[in-house]
Amino acid sequence: VQLVESGGGLVQPGGSLRLTCSASGFTSIDHYMDWFRQAPGKGLEWVGRSRNKGERYSTEYAASVNGRVSISRDEYKNSLYLLMKNVQAEDTAVYYCAKDNSHWAFDIWGQGTLVTVSS
Amino acid sequence: IQLTQSPSFLSASVGETVTVTCRASQAVNNYLGWYQKKAGKAPELLIYAASTLQSGVPSRFSGSGFGTEFTLTITNLQPGDFATYYCQHLKGYPITFGQGTRLEIK
Repeated sequence: VQLVESGGGLVQPGGSLRLTCSASGFTSIDHYMDWFRQAPGKGLEWVGRSRNKGERYSTEYAASVNGRVSISRDEYKNSLYLLMKNVQAEDTAVYYCAKDNSHWAFDIWGQGTLVTVSS
Repeated sequence: IQLTQSPSFLSASVGETVTVTCRASQAVNNYLGWYQKKAGKAPELLIYAASTLQSGVPSRFSGSGFGTEFTLTITNLQPGDFATYYCQHLKGYPITFGQGTRLEIK
């Protein structure tokens, strides 16, 4: 059972990024899945959530990214995506995806992917 | 809902027992988890539902609390326990974390 993020790298301010979270060992569409981030020297921050297939993958987003972010799924690829537009320097962080354990916590995390926003 | 951890920094020796407190600005029932975070690694779930030990986590870790005040206790500290610890609630949105408690070797 694991999650693997990809798609990080250097992004120019005002640009866009698309991160992928590939799940294996479990069927991700049966679970709520979330994105988090940790900026350099800072704590953990929730970015957003995709509910499970039964709840039509409805989403919630943090205020700090709302309007710039969308989370989507591909059930055939067992994957979760994070699309962020108009990135700014404060979006520089390691981004993690995680699986909700249905008991108000996250039991499986990816290894993280670093996004650096800089010109 | 804001989570405030205390202390923010803790220095202890191998074999000692430490306690970290997490206070919520509003009641979160038992919708609270605790995580261990090491540099360059993903967070690891230790405790969920305030007091349930995650599978595979040593029983030296324990959690308690309900409503607005929670504690994480680590007994018989081992070298691998020196890390940063975060509490996290899931009582509505946004999901938030405490600011973290950094545990260092004395």
